[in-house]
Amino acid sequence: AQKVTQAQTEISVVEKEDVTLDCVYETRDTTYYLFWYKQPPSGELVFLIRRNSFDEQNEISGRYSWNFQKSTSSFNFTITASQVVDSAVYFCALLGGGTSYGKLTFGQGTILTVHP
Amino acid sequence: GAVVSQHPSRVICKSGTSVKIECRSLDFQATTMFWYRQFPKQSLMLMATSNEGSKATYEQGVEKDKFLINHASLTLSTLTVTSAHPEDSSFYICSATEAGDQPQHFGDGTRLSIL
Repeated sequence: AQKVTQAQTEISVVEKEDVTLDCVYETRDTTYYLFWYKQPPSGELVFLIRRNSFDEQNEISGRYSWNFQKSTSSFNFTITASQVVDSAVYFCALLGGGTSYGKLTFGQGTILTVHP
Repeated sequence: GAVVSQHPSRVICKSGTSVKIECRSLDFQATTMFWYRQFPKQSLMLMATSNEGSKATYEQGVEKDKFLINHASLTLSTLTVTSAHPEDSSFYICSATEAGDQPQHFGDGTRLSIL
């Protein structure tokens, strides 16, 4: 069975602070994909990143960066110099193989609030 | 690119009404579309997976006669909530993907309120 755990239910920071959102996953698949999605108050889910299980290189995109560590089954997401517009619910998700191929398993989500 | 359009964005209707929600991939062909349900402050719950031209695969506990899914083309899937009741009130979100290992692109969601 696949599982994604986002231990932080809510995080509150002040603008310009750095914030890291944790994601830990469980899977028996050797090939899998990890995703992060952002859900702003308007409700739509915005795709942020896709990482496959063979690529442990960290990625940076502007103020966003991701740290993938297979040894600890973690795929953490850091926002540098946070802004009010970053306030949203962030979901980590796992896409595995086998009978679950094509289906995303979502974490519980982390509500991020950035105060001015 | 990778735009998914979902309509309507909000529906308010009386108990017993059937409601149809459309999900369209605007700039790509979606081999697979997914329907999710999300309760307030909770994660997304997968309801069903649909592939063009075949019957949808429903997750355990989801009533297929209650939630009718049609995926008639590579760009359109519909979810019909039949004889809706207040407990069906929720936020329904569709997603579409070109291939199983590619990102799912999500519609804006439909907020369904049954009075």
